[in-house]
Amino acid sequence: QQQVKQSPQSLIVQKGGIPIINCAYENTAFDYFPWYQQFPGKGPALLIAIRPDVSEKKEGRFTISFNKSAKQFSLHIMDSQPGDSATYFCAASMGSNYQLIWGAGTKLIIKP
Amino acid sequence: GAVVSQHPSWVICKSGTSVKIECRSLDFQATTMFWYRQFPKQSLMLMATSNEGSKATYEQGVEKDKFLINHASLTLSTLTVTSAHPEDSSFYICSARDIAGDQETQYFGPGTRLLVL
Repeated sequence: QQQVKQSPQSLIVQKGGIPIINCAYENTAFDYFPWYQQFPGKGPALLIAIRPDVSEKKEGRFTISFNKSAKQFSLHIMDSQPGDSATYFCAASMGSNYQLIWGAGTKLIIKP
Repeated sequence: GAVVSQHPSWVICKSGTSVKIECRSLDFQATTMFWYRQFPKQSLMLMATSNEGSKATYEQGVEKDKFLINHASLTLSTLTVTSAHPEDSSFYICSARDIAGDQETQYFGPGTRLLVL
């Protein structure tokens, strides 16, 4: 019940396309859902995060869609660029615990 | 803002030696820092939660006597890998929560790659 399931494991998209990465969770007590971007040999960097009271959040080219009833959330990258090639992790946390439960990661490759 | 540094960025040591990794929040104060371990092509594995001025909380399966954590100030936490062995070789990453900011947000350091020969 603590798991966050992320798919796909890897994704190849042409430049300008819209990669979509999906995550699903079971624990309805989760109330914070961030997405992190990680380049090889670097620490993760926070991209965007959402709470269950909104269904969508946009920051620049990155959009989170959140479906509370389905217990799913997804990351969309608009006008993708080769520089977006990285591993993306979804995560979830609840209440004052603040420990992040991590998805398995998606390796994204944007082809020029 | 919200920069976390780690030192060293990489370290090579002989089996049996101890290695200390520092994690600093550069422009904010952090009562809580987290230490993770990441194997190639895998997700982050939480090792322990470090709270300033108190003992760290270790995740199940993580040996507290092997991975010593000290969080002596609001900007510094250290992880010491004692008597390191080749199986301890990994990418170690810390994160910190801004005491004055969005409490859920964790800011990550650049990581420390440890190779034990």
